[in-house]
Amino acid sequence: AQSVTQLGSHVSVSEGALVLLRCNYSSSVPPYLFWYVQYPNQGLQLLLKYTSAATLVKGINGFEAEFKKSETSFHLTKPSAHMSDAAEYFCAVRNERQLTFGSGTQLTVLP
Amino acid sequence: GAVVSQHPSRVICKSGTSVKIECRSLDFQATTMFWYRQFPKQSLMLMATSNEGSKATYEQGVEKDKFLINHASLTLSTLTVTSAHPEDSSFYICSAIRGGGIIETQYFGPGTRLLVL
Repeated sequence: AQSVTQLGSHVSVSEGALVLLRCNYSSSVPPYLFWYVQYPNQGLQLLLKYTSAATLVKGINGFEAEFKKSETSFHLTKPSAHMSDAAEYFCAVRNERQLTFGSGTQLTVLP
Repeated sequence: GAVVSQHPSRVICKSGTSVKIECRSLDFQATTMFWYRQFPKQSLMLMATSNEGSKATYEQGVEKDKFLINHASLTLSTLTVTSAHPEDSSFYICSAIRGGGIIETQYFGPGTRLLVL
């Protein structure tokens, strides 16, 4: 089965700084990869998805992720953090029709 | 974008009672929906796959007689927690699949916070 690993359960950045959230995948077939964001006491919102088209995927709210097969990575980035970006972020891989989630990364944005 | 709703958003019940949670896809039809459970500071754990017109598929370790799932229409799946106990207190999130193949995407509901006293 395919899986994802998120490195760093907590990441803190200053407002305006680069955001980098790490995700590595394990898959024997070309994976479909996703990043979701969860605000407190809410469900998950899709940020972006990779489906084997362009390796650089642009999502909502200025986020993007790059699929790197050689590194089995799908890291999420944003050039300049906003206070409103503070949330929990989940990387996920599709197994048939199900999603398998990483353990999540809590992003804190410092003023 | 695709919208999935859940009702109620929050419920408090006494131990031994049953609680029903609804999941609706508002602007698309979904033959497949999923139910997840999330404990504080943890990731989502898949409980079951809800299939319209057929029986749900439960993940290993999930009691199907305790967590009853009904997917009676293409826009509605319900999860009933029967004889709830305090250890069932959790955040329950549903999702619905829209599209198929390469464009298939899961859209999530806002979640239901269950507290069993």
